[in-house]
Amino acid sequence: AQSVTQLDSHVSVSEGTPVLLRCNYSSSYSPSLFWYVQHPNKGLQLLLKYTSAATLVKGINGFEAEFKKSETSFHLTKPSAHMSDAAEYFCVVSDPGYSTLTFGKGTMLLVSP
Amino acid sequence: NAGVTQTPKFQVLKTGQSMTLQCAQDMNHEYMSWYRQDPGMGLRLIHYSVGAGITDQGEVPNGYNVSRSTTEDFPLRLLSAAPSQTSVYFCASSPGQIWGNQPQHFGDGTRLSIL
Repeated sequence: AQSVTQLDSHVSVSEGTPVLLRCNYSSSYSPSLFWYVQHPNKGLQLLLKYTSAATLVKGINGFEAEFKKSETSFHLTKPSAHMSDAAEYFCVVSDPGYSTLTFGKGTMLLVSP
Repeated sequence: NAGVTQTPKFQVLKTGQSMTLQCAQDMNHEYMSWYRQDPGMGLRLIHYSVGAGITDQGEVPNGYNVSRSTTEDFPLRLLSAAPSQTSVYFCASSPGQIWGNQPQHFGDGTRLSIL
């Protein structure tokens, strides 16, 4: 079976400092992995996806994530936080072997001036 | 581009009432799905459709019905509302199967309260 664990429910950073949102997964097959962002009262928007090509994936708004199979991790990073990055972030595992799509419980990113 | 449009944005119901949440997409996507989002639980799949006339159950289907008569529309029906169905509901569409490598396109959600 597959699962997704977002290791932090809340992360607080200051504007201009690096962002690290952690995601670990388990999957029996070769999964696709996604990060989505959700701003207040909005739907989820795709940030980036990994689909077995390059292990370092670049997304929108300066975010990137690295797929590490040995560590079963897909952490999301950004070198310098902006106030507009304050939102909730979801790590998602898609597993065609099990016909399932599993969402993490979300990490709320708080950015202070 | 409209993308995925959900109506209404907000709704308050009394226990036992029924209602339909509307979802329409203009991207000609074959795959559509409904999720519910509850605090601290991420999104959970209610029902999905792989094309007009074809629907199937997701993780939490009880108390909900769906139909897919056209590619564009995928309404979600609450048969007899219960307080446990208080949630935010999201509709999504995708050009590929929902557990494949294609991303989902989400609507802005319907916030539903059952009293």
